Amino acid sequence: DSGVTQTPKHLITATGQRVTLRCSPRSGDLSVYWYQQSLDQGLQFLIQYYNGEERAKGNILERFSAQQFPDLHSELNLSSLELGDSALYFCASSPRTDSYNEQFFGPGTRLTVL
Amino acid sequence: AQKITQTQPGMFVQEKEAVTLDCTYDTSDPSYGLFWYKQPSSGEMIFLIYQGSYDQQNATEGRYSLNFQKARKSANLVISASQLGDSAMYFCAMRETQGGSEKLVFGKGTKLTVNP
Repeated sequence: DSGVTQTPKHLITATGQRVTLRCSPRSGDLSVYWYQQSLDQGLQFLIQYYNGEERAKGNILERFSAQQFPDLHSELNLSSLELGDSALYFCASSPRTDSYNEQFFGPGTRLTVL
Repeated sequence: AQKITQTQPGMFVQEKEAVTLDCTYDTSDPSYGLFWYKQPSSGEMIFLIYQGSYDQQNATEGRYSLNFQKARKSANLVISASQLGDSAMYFCAMRETQGGSEKLVFGKGTKLTVNP
C-alpha cells in the first residue's frame, strides 16, 4: 500500500458525459501528479500540482482539467468524454516538487467510456 | 523521438534464474533520475529502484539492481533469482525537470513471464 488513495476504482460512463476522479496523496506529500495509461499511448503524464498550484502540464486535453484543494487532495475532471478516453488514470504523490526519489502511485481509476 | 526506449516487448525467464530488462534513455539534462516500476496484472504501479545521474554506484534493492552505464545512456534492470510473482509489466522511467517542476516519462514497458 503506497498510501495514495484514488476513488472510484472503476467508472463506466457514456460518451459526452463528465466524470470526476479523486486522489488523496500520502500524508505530508505536497505534489500530486496525474497520469493516463492507455493501450495505444502507454503511460503519459497529464498534469502536476504542488501545494495547490499547477506546476507542470503534459499531454492533457483541453476537455480535461484538474485542481488541488487546500487539504491537498486532487480531482481530475474529464468532460465531453470520448471512447478514446477509456484508460487507467493514476495519481501519484511525492513530498516536494523537486523530490529525487520515487513518486508513490495510487491504485488507479479504470475509466470505461461506452 | 522517444526519450525512454524499452526494446523488449516480452521476456521469458525460468524461475530462480536472473533476467535483465533493457532500458535506454535520451536526455541532454546533466541532472536526471531513472526509475523502474512494476505493474502486476492487478494494475497498481510499484516502485522498484531509483538511480540518480550523479550516483557513483549502481543502485540495488534486494533482488533488484540497476546496471547504469551513463556513457551508453542505459539503465538496465537486473532481477536475480526470479520468482513466479515477478511476472508483470516492467516500466523504465526518467524524471524530467523543467522550470522547477518535474514529471516522469515512461517507456512502453516489458512484459516479463517467469516460468516454473
